[in-house]
Amino acid sequence: DVKVTQSSRYLVKRTGEKVFLECVQDMDHENMFWYRQDPGLGLRLIYFSYDVKMKEKGDIPEGYSVSREKKERFSLILESASTNQTSMYLCASSLGQGGYEQYFGPGTRLTVT
Amino acid sequence: GEDVEQSLFLSVREGDSSVINCTYTDSSSTYLYWYKQEPGAGLQLLTYIFSNMDMKQDQRLTVLLNKKDKHLSLRIADTQTGDSAIYFCAEGNSGYALNFGKGTSLLVTP
Repeated sequence: DVKVTQSSRYLVKRTGEKVFLECVQDMDHENMFWYRQDPGLGLRLIYFSYDVKMKEKGDIPEGYSVSREKKERFSLILESASTNQTSMYLCASSLGQGGYEQYFGPGTRLTVT
Repeated sequence: GEDVEQSLFLSVREGDSSVINCTYTDSSSTYLYWYKQEPGAGLQLLTYIFSNMDMKQDQRLTVLLNKKDKHLSLRIADTQTGDSAIYFCAEGNSGYALNFGKGTSLLVTP
């Protein structure tokens, strides 16, 4: 059974802290994605990666960075957390280029106080 | 990116059929997806349809695709309270990422 796991379900951080969100997939997928989900705004793509050490900006990359050192792991980094980054963060993976289905992790609810 | 539009809310009575609609703009879409998100969880793939198909049925789910009008619908027969969730339409083309709609919140009342 395919699996995407995220390091935390709930996280509370203070303004200005550096925050790491980790995502691991066990399907040997090429692509990995980070989204944030906010009420009324749907899913917004932050960054994605199509190969190890390769990354592309999504629609809202400001205030975020990513790291993909190994194929199975994709990290989202908030360099200096702010209250407007309070959100649900979803990680996903997919096989390759060509519109393939994405498999999602359970999400991390991040609160920045 | 290309736009995918859905209505935000739908309320139905238990036992009725639900129809969730979606429109998209990218004529090069190859796959169209329906995902379900239960409260506090990630998205789960419900079903998909290739762009060269008109209809796909999978138990209580029926997907209809009108490629000319770029209109996709998901019909859930005999809707149950456990079907209450957010439903996302998404389209995929030759790129890496899918384009998601904002999601339709389905409320099933007893």
